Amino acid sequence: AQSVTQLGSHVSVSEGALVLLRCNYSSSVPPYLFWYVQYPNQGLQLLLKYTSAATLVKGINGFEAEFKKSETSFHLTKPSAHMSDAAEYFCAVSDQDFGNEKLTFGTGTRLTIIP
Amino acid sequence: EPEVTQTPSHQVTQMGQEVILRCVPISNHLYFYWYRQILGQKVEFLVSFYNNEISEKSEIFDDQFSVERPDGSNFTLKIRSTKLEDSAMYFCASRKVSGANVLTFGAGSRLTVL
Repeated sequence: AQSVTQLGSHVSVSEGALVLLRCNYSSSVPPYLFWYVQYPNQGLQLLLKYTSAATLVKGINGFEAEFKKSETSFHLTKPSAHMSDAAEYFCAVSDQDFGNEKLTFGTGTRLTIIP
Repeated sequence: EPEVTQTPSHQVTQMGQEVILRCVPISNHLYFYWYRQILGQKVEFLVSFYNNEISEKSEIFDDQFSVERPDGSNFTLKIRSTKLEDSAMYFCASRKVSGANVLTFGAGSRLTVL
């Protein structure tokens, strides 16, 4: 069975500082990995995805994530935090099943930006 | 940008009552999903639906749950007799057949069972 673990349910960073949200995955087959963001009272919005192409994936709003197979990690980073980045972030994994996509989510990390 | 629309945004119900949560997926999408998130817990897969039938369901999705696409646009989740533990945020999602692995989620319906 696939799973993801997000380390840190709450992360606080100062505006302008580096954002690092951690995600480790477990999968018996090559995984597809995703980061979703949820702003207050909104749905889950795709930030970026890894689908076995480049290991460094760039997403929206200046976020990027690097797939490291040796570490089974897919950490999300942003060089300089902005107040608008405050949200909940979810890492998710799926297997390479084009017929019936099913995502397994982590517990989420709430990001707070300190002015 | 096309959106997945969910109604109601919040519903409060008494234990034992039936609840129907509604979703309007993106019009050219063909796979539909329901996920839920109990407060403080993971977002969990409930069910996927394709070609007018359930393609996969989790062990959470027991006989109290059902889904249907009654009119070609709406996709509904029915809970026949709600329990306290059904209180959660329920997310609908849809996906194109091609452009695989990217689900578009709605804003969610918060269900509170008293």
